[in-house]
Amino acid sequence: DAKTTQPPSMDCAEGRAANLPCNHSTISGNEYVYWYRQIHSQGPQYIIHGLKNNETNEMASLIITEDRKSSTLILPHATLRDTAVYYCIVREYGGATNKLIFGTGTLLAVQP
Amino acid sequence: NAGVTQTPKFRILKIGQSMTLQCAQDMNHNYMYWYRQDPGMGLKLIYYSVGAGITDKGEVPNGYNVSRSTTEDFPLRLELAAPSQTSVYFCASSLTTGNQPQHFGDGTRLSIL
Repeated sequence: DAKTTQPPSMDCAEGRAANLPCNHSTISGNEYVYWYRQIHSQGPQYIIHGLKNNETNEMASLIITEDRKSSTLILPHATLRDTAVYYCIVREYGGATNKLIFGTGTLLAVQP
Repeated sequence: NAGVTQTPKFRILKIGQSMTLQCAQDMNHNYMYWYRQDPGMGLKLIYYSVGAGITDKGEVPNGYNVSRSTTEDFPLRLELAAPSQTSVYFCASSLTTGNQPQHFGDGTRLSIL
């Protein structure tokens, strides 16, 4: 599985969009980009995933560059409850074990 | 919906003691996983299972054992607790096929003194 690079921390004002970047320059053609978040003391929570097209769900949007070497998770209207560590993970589609390899993520602090 | 349930939530062990961390899921997921998370770090995979009777090692399996006799349960066993095993342990499960996300429990906080 390809490695990812994320900034260690970011700040965002409440009510504004939070844009969290992720670099995955060694991603291969059959690897998906997944985003999870971990709110303090809780288990990780799935947010969204995608292959090459932009994706949107009720929680967030995922923008993947055309060359697939980087992506951005967008929380359109950040709230204080969105303060968490956000993990960007790449994983092979249909891999036999469905394993996830976690890095250290980005700590997003939403400020009032 | 219960989802993934882990027990106990907290535990303190003495060096050399043994214990079993319990994990149960009610979503009929075939795949189950155990991770550990040390302070300030990401999660590391200890063991995983792709179905009842089938288990395999992850990144950091030393000092742990697992079994999977049913689809619902995936206990993690520590035989001789060591201070290096002080961590937060998370269990997760997912559907078998495709790119299904993993669902996590709330964790077990384990301290070994």
